[in-house]
Amino acid sequence: AQSVTQLGSHVSVSEGALVLLRCNYSSSVPPYLFWYVQYPNQGLQLLLKYTSAATLVKGINGFEAEFKKSETSFHLTKPSAHMSDAAEYFCAVSRRNGNKLVFGAGTILRVKS
Amino acid sequence: GAVVSQHPSWVICKSGTSVKIECRSLDFQATTMFWYRQFPKQSLMLMATSNEGSKATYEQGVEKDKFLINHASLTLSTLTVTSAHPEDSSFYICSVFGADGTGELFFGEGSRLTVL
Repeated sequence: AQSVTQLGSHVSVSEGALVLLRCNYSSSVPPYLFWYVQYPNQGLQLLLKYTSAATLVKGINGFEAEFKKSETSFHLTKPSAHMSDAAEYFCAVSRRNGNKLVFGAGTILRVKS
Repeated sequence: GAVVSQHPSWVICKSGTSVKIECRSLDFQATTMFWYRQFPKQSLMLMATSNEGSKATYEQGVEKDKFLINHASLTLSTLTVTSAHPEDSSFYICSVFGADGTGELFFGEGSRLTVL
């Protein structure tokens, strides 16, 4: 079975500061990993995904994430936070050739001016 | 990718009534669609997998008689909340897998249900 743990239900950063949202996964087989963003009362939008190519994945809006198998982690980063980055972020894992996406509990990012 | 649309975006109903939510795959023929529920300040929980032309597969703990799912065509799945109660108030989101086989999901805009 697969699972995802997001450390920190709330993260607060100043505008211009580094954003780091943590995600650790558990999977008995090589996984596919995803980061989604959700703005209030909207569906989820894909930020980036890892599918076994490069371990450093670049996504939209300046976000990137690095797959570290030894640490079973897929942390999301952005060098400089913008006010528009304030949202909830979900890490998710699926099994290759599987048919179910499992989500973490989510992390709410707050950006202070 | 895939474009997924839900309707209505917001719905308010009285306790005891039924509400239907539609999910359409606009540019992709989806034999499978997924229905998620999201309570305030919580993550998404998979409710059921909607299968075109056959019965939906429900996750453990989800009442199939309360949450009726119909997937009559390759572009439309509906979720009907029957005899709704205030505890059914939630954000319901549908999704489809993309065609690249990576498990990436494309989501609808979501439907906010409030039961009075």
